[in-house]
Amino acid sequence: QKEVEQNSGPLSVPEGAIASLNCTYSDRGSQSFFWYRQYSGKSPELIMSIYSNGDKEDGRFTAQLNKASQYVSLLIRDSQPSDSATYLCAVNAGGTSYGKLTFGQGTILTVHP
Amino acid sequence: EAGVVQSPRYKIIEKKQPVAFWCNPISGHNTLYWYLQNLGQGPELLIRYENEEAVDDSQLPKDRFSAERLKGVDSTLKIQPAELGDSAVYLCASSLGVANEQFFGPGTRLTVL
Repeated sequence: QKEVEQNSGPLSVPEGAIASLNCTYSDRGSQSFFWYRQYSGKSPELIMSIYSNGDKEDGRFTAQLNKASQYVSLLIRDSQPSDSATYLCAVNAGGTSYGKLTFGQGTILTVHP
Repeated sequence: EAGVVQSPRYKIIEKKQPVAFWCNPISGHNTLYWYLQNLGQGPELLIRYENEEAVDDSQLPKDRFSAERLKGVDSTLKIQPAELGDSAVYLCASSLGVANEQFFGPGTRLTVL
């Protein structure tokens, strides 16, 4: 089992719709969770961080964390073509691996007009 | 505030040649990371520095890879000799503390022929 798994995608949504990106992780001691956006040929760009159970909203983005289910998600409301990118889930491990950020393989999102 | 700076942006070398990458983190960030990213995959940690100390180099192939961060600011990652399989994007990131948000530089795309 991979340490961090994302829904395989690619995910295609129409402009204005809600895009839902999901991520599960295996280390129950994980402390912090991040979503990065990566445009083709560019480096990852941090868009959301979440540290405690529940929802965190920032503009059109909402991150949701459920530590009991070892699940973190990202919702993008009113999706725009400019949101088309690869979204990477990253998990900061706990215990002896504290500080190590492990990434999922990414989910490609396409928002079509 | 300036972001993470990396150079060169692109490098093409022949196998068995040496290559070096340079990174200057965000001012004040004491933790620096080198990642490798293959196409279609998330970044994978190679080495993490806290100030001058390499605190996690377990994923660094030490037979050919080396890194240094002598004054606790900028860092250099070296490969000698390069192999065909080393072709990838090498990303540098920095953070203010080990569990905090990491910010990535633009990366160096290495092609080994």
